[in-house]
Amino acid sequence: DTAVSQTPKYLVTQMGNDKSIKCEQNLGHDTMYWYKQDSKKFLKIMFSYNNKELIINETVPNRFSPKSPDKAHLNLHINSLELGDSAVYFCASSPGVAGVGIWTDTQYFGPGTRLTVL
Amino acid sequence: QKEVEQNSGPLSVPEGAIASLNCTYSDRVSQSFFWYRQYSGKSPELIMSIYSNGDKEDGRFTAQLNKASQYVSLLIRDSQPSDSATYLCAVNINTNAGKSTFGDGTTLTVKP
Repeated sequence: DTAVSQTPKYLVTQMGNDKSIKCEQNLGHDTMYWYKQDSKKFLKIMFSYNNKELIINETVPNRFSPKSPDKAHLNLHINSLELGDSAVYFCASSPGVAGVGIWTDTQYFGPGTRLTVL
Repeated sequence: QKEVEQNSGPLSVPEGAIASLNCTYSDRVSQSFFWYRQYSGKSPELIMSIYSNGDKEDGRFTAQLNKASQYVSLLIRDSQPSDSATYLCAVNINTNAGKSTFGDGTTLTVKP
């Protein structure tokens, strides 16, 4: 059973196109995230949703629009793709609560989507 | 100053040695600390979490946290070639809108 899954695994497209990446988790977690990892391996959060509500929206161009139809799914739509959008995009989920008074953001990552913009 | 800083690396150790990975963070109210391992072409996976000052051991891995010095480290004893990977330190402040901030990662190579 795949805990966090993403589709597609690879995405090659031309500049200016619009594309979507889908993510699903079967862990029963309340919180889901999108991260971008660039060629230097730096992992940066883009968005976070908790129970379908947007709670973190980092400084990301508004060409990127996340959508969470339910707490198990978080999709990412990208309009007017640019060369600089080429990266690996990871979806992740976290349970939120580790114990009394302890909030944890242990991240469970999906396999990643390698986006190449030509 | 970066919020989370790690040894620039790459770090190379011989098989059987102790690998020491270091991480400092800037926000004093940080509460939760994580080490993730990422193999080339794969996604990060959690190997250790630590919340209190001191040491936490799990097999060959020991995480050390010193909140006064804003420092967290990961020791890997008896390093194996299979430990060769990039290690990411992550820190979060523990709010309802929890956000993990990641360091740039340290690439470890264990030579047979």
